[in-house]
Amino acid sequence: DAMVIQNPRYQVTQFGKPVTLSCSQTLNHNVMYWYQQKSSQAPKLLFHYYDKDFNNEADTPDNFQSRRPNTSFCFLDIRSPGLGDAAMYLCATSRVFAETQYFGPGTRLLVL
Amino acid sequence: AQTVTQSQPEMSVQEAETVTLSCTYDTSENNYYLFWYKQPPSRQMILVIRQEAYKQQNATENRFSVNFQKAAKSFSLKISDSQLGDTAMYFCAFRTSGTYKYIFGTGTRLKVLA
Repeated sequence: DAMVIQNPRYQVTQFGKPVTLSCSQTLNHNVMYWYQQKSSQAPKLLFHYYDKDFNNEADTPDNFQSRRPNTSFCFLDIRSPGLGDAAMYLCATSRVFAETQYFGPGTRLLVL
Repeated sequence: AQTVTQSQPEMSVQEAETVTLSCTYDTSENNYYLFWYKQPPSRQMILVIRQEAYKQQNATENRFSVNFQKAAKSFSLKISDSQLGDTAMYFCAFRTSGTYKYIFGTGTRLKVLA
C-alpha cells in the first residue's frame, strides 16, 4: 500500500544534542510537510518542500532545519533540542498544493 | 486572520449511537476547503471527510456526514452508529483555494463507550 512512513516512532534525545527525524513516502507526491504537534494542541506547520523548493514558515525557529535529498525522503533536523521541543512531529504529503494531505504516524520526541 | 474553532475538547458517546462534533471557522475568502481528520491513539491522522465550499450538498462517507452551513461558517461532523474504533481525536481543518496551508482546530477527543 502507498503510504507515509516515519522513523523512528519514538525518539529520546538529550538537551542540546542534535537529532534527526525521517519521513519517507511511496505516494510519489510532490509536496512534503513537517508539523509539530504538542499535547492537546493542533498541528503547527514548520515547513514544506515542493519538489526541491523549500519554504520555511515565518515563525519556525532557526533551530529546525530540513533536507529533502530525493522525492521519497524528507528529514527534520533539530540542531540543539530544548525541553520545549518535546512534541509529536508529523510528516505529511500531497500530490500538489491544492490536494488533500496524507499524514504519517508521527515521531514522538522526548528531550531529557 | 483565519481561524478554526472546535468548542468541545472532549465528548463521549455510547456504541451504536449518533454524535455530532462542532466546528466553526472564520474567513473572508469565498473559495476554500474543509476537512475532518481522525487521529486514533498512537496512530496516524487520516482524512475522514472533505467538503468544497462551492458545493451546497453536504459530503457523506458511509457513517460520516457533515452539516455545512456556509453563511454561518459552521462545519459539523455527524458520526452515525458509532463504533469503538471511532475513538480518536478529531481535527477540523480549513484551507483556502490555491494555498497549501491548513488551519487546524484544537481537536475534539471522542470516546466511544461499550
